[in-house]
Amino acid sequence: DQQVKQNSPSLSVQEGRISILNCDYTNSMFDYFLWYKKYPAEGPTFLISISSIKDKNEDGRFTVFLNKSAKHLSLHIVPSQPGDSAVYFCAASERSGGSNYKLTFGKGTLLTVNP
Amino acid sequence: SQTIHQWPATLVQPVGSPLSLECTVEGTSNPNLYWYRQAAGRGLQLLFYSVGIGQISSEVPQNLSASRPQDRQFILSSKKLLLSDSGFYLCACSAGGQQETQYFGPGTRLLVL
Repeated sequence: DQQVKQNSPSLSVQEGRISILNCDYTNSMFDYFLWYKKYPAEGPTFLISISSIKDKNEDGRFTVFLNKSAKHLSLHIVPSQPGDSAVYFCAASERSGGSNYKLTFGKGTLLTVNP
Repeated sequence: SQTIHQWPATLVQPVGSPLSLECTVEGTSNPNLYWYRQAAGRGLQLLFYSVGIGQISSEVPQNLSASRPQDRQFILSSKKLLLSDSGFYLCACSAGGQQETQYFGPGTRLLVL
């Protein structure tokens, strides 16, 4: 049972245009959502996050939108740059006793930004 | 901010051999520590997490074990590797007032032959 789903395994966009990466989740206990960027043979790099009490968070070229009723979030990158080409993972967090939070990851979307 | 070190970066081991992967964290104290595995073409699967020295929680039954001998040291081990243990192993930590966000190390690529 996949609790976090990224239904598009890949996405290709032109440099300068907007990239929209989507993520759906099923567990209502998730209360914090994160996006990570990953290059091959490297660890994921944290990009941006959003609490379940918000519907939008913006950081430079990156904006994350959360629609709790639809259990859907998206990452917008604008303008897209060739250096943004990487695998993007959506992750959802739930408290797991005390100070521990467990992350559940989607399978990732490979973004290719063409010059 | 914290820095996570993992070694080795790459490892090729025969089936049945033992394994020890090490993760150390700098720049924070009392972190929560995590071991993940990414198999080829798949997402990240949580294997173990630890909220303190000697405290280990296992997420999935498997051929691996974890230990935390010091506050900022996390070790992933196996007594006998299986072919299915091949993958990319990632250590992560969260700390301070932002426990919801995990930061990852560079990873160890393990190939079991």
